[in-house]
Amino acid sequence: GAVVSQHPSWVICKSGTSVKIECRSLDFQATTMFWYRQFPKQSLMLMATSNEGSKATYEQGVEKDKFLINHASLTLSTLTVTSAHPEDSSFYICSASLIFEYGYTFGSGTRLTVV
Amino acid sequence: AQTVTQSQPEMSVQEAETVTLSCTYDTSESDYYLFWYKQPPSRQMILVIRQEAYKQQNATENRFSVNFQKAAKSFSLKISDSQLGDAAMYFCAYRSDETSYDKVIFGPGTSLSVIP
Repeated sequence: GAVVSQHPSWVICKSGTSVKIECRSLDFQATTMFWYRQFPKQSLMLMATSNEGSKATYEQGVEKDKFLINHASLTLSTLTVTSAHPEDSSFYICSASLIFEYGYTFGSGTRLTVV
Repeated sequence: AQTVTQSQPEMSVQEAETVTLSCTYDTSESDYYLFWYKQPPSRQMILVIRQEAYKQQNATENRFSVNFQKAAKSFSLKISDSQLGDAAMYFCAYRSDETSYDKVIFGPGTSLSVIP
């Protein structure tokens, strides 16, 4: 149980375009999901907390207009990277929890390359 | 603010041997949860073990066990009978149980290599 599905696994887009990443909780309802960014050989950096039916909470330094988060249902959160630039190339991971005391389940991640 | 520190960027262990990964954290809270996550080359994050701060007994999961020292704010992971599949990045993580935020704070990670 507590499976989180993330798509796509990898995506290449041209500079200036937008790309959407989906995060779904397959067998549970997630009122809260989290979006992380990870650079090579580094730790996970929390970008934002996605709350179903309300605005996302962004961490300091994260551009909310560039990284649009929508959590329209209890099983789906999306991250849209708008007007992507090469510096946005990174590994993006989402996570959610059925029962947070038991830990968090992570999606398989999305490798974004902006060319 | 809470912080998590892992002082060993890289570690190596011989197959079948035991290795201990260190983690310290800083918090003024008394109620929280601690986790160890594994990230293999596939980059899929996998929960290894968790510990509730209010529990004095150290958590164990098969070959994985922790040494939780609350007063010292230390949370080390011991891997016994190391296997090749244990090679991965290991992240120590903290989650408050006293604030309204659900977010998890990760340490910088330790890269573990297993030598055949």
